[in-house]
Amino acid sequence: GNSVTQMEGPVTLSEEAFLTINCTYTATGYPSLFWYVQYPGEGLQLLLKATKADDKGSNKGFEATYRKETTSFHLEKGSVQVSDSAVYFCALSDRKAGTALIFGKGTTLSVSS
Amino acid sequence: DAGVIQSPRHEVTEMGQEVTLRCKPISGHDYLFWYRQTMMRGLELLIYFNNNVPIDDSGMPEDRFSAKMPNASFSTLKIQPSEPRDSAVYFCASSLRDTEAFFGQGTRLTVV
Repeated sequence: GNSVTQMEGPVTLSEEAFLTINCTYTATGYPSLFWYVQYPGEGLQLLLKATKADDKGSNKGFEATYRKETTSFHLEKGSVQVSDSAVYFCALSDRKAGTALIFGKGTTLSVSS
Repeated sequence: DAGVIQSPRHEVTEMGQEVTLRCKPISGHDYLFWYRQTMMRGLELLIYFNNNVPIDDSGMPEDRFSAKMPNASFSTLKIQPSEPRDSAVYFCASSLRDTEAFFGQGTRLTVV
């Protein structure tokens, strides 16, 4: 079945540090891939997405590239801010196979000034 | 659009009581999802609907859980009877076909 594995947290960084959160997936079809962010006390918000291999999703300085050969969708940001502190979820959706969003367990990011 | 609206935001109930969580999806969206979030298990898909029809309820933990979508603008998740281990944040989300899902603010359920 389909699944998503992302790196365990928490990740603790200083402001302006480089961020990478690893995400790999298993899928039988051709999934779309997503990164969602959850700020404290709130629901999940879409951060970025990619719908086919080699697509790069980007938003608010975050980027992730859909790598079919390595089944990965790692999240990166060149310079994190305190306001980026949140929980980040990698997810996949394979509607053609009839599946809903499947999430990784989430990675907590804490950025200090 | 106001986004996905869930009610109540917080619910505290006693073990054995019936709990009903409500969701209004974004107008025009044809998929609706119910998720549960706990520290131990992360985000779990409970059930999802397409055009008001349940498509996959394999994530519903027990017969105590039931979900309905009587029309395109309303869905409920019911737990009867509730147990302390049902304490979690329950999220509703909606989407249009193959686009991304939009989440509500969640309902924090505490069963004492």
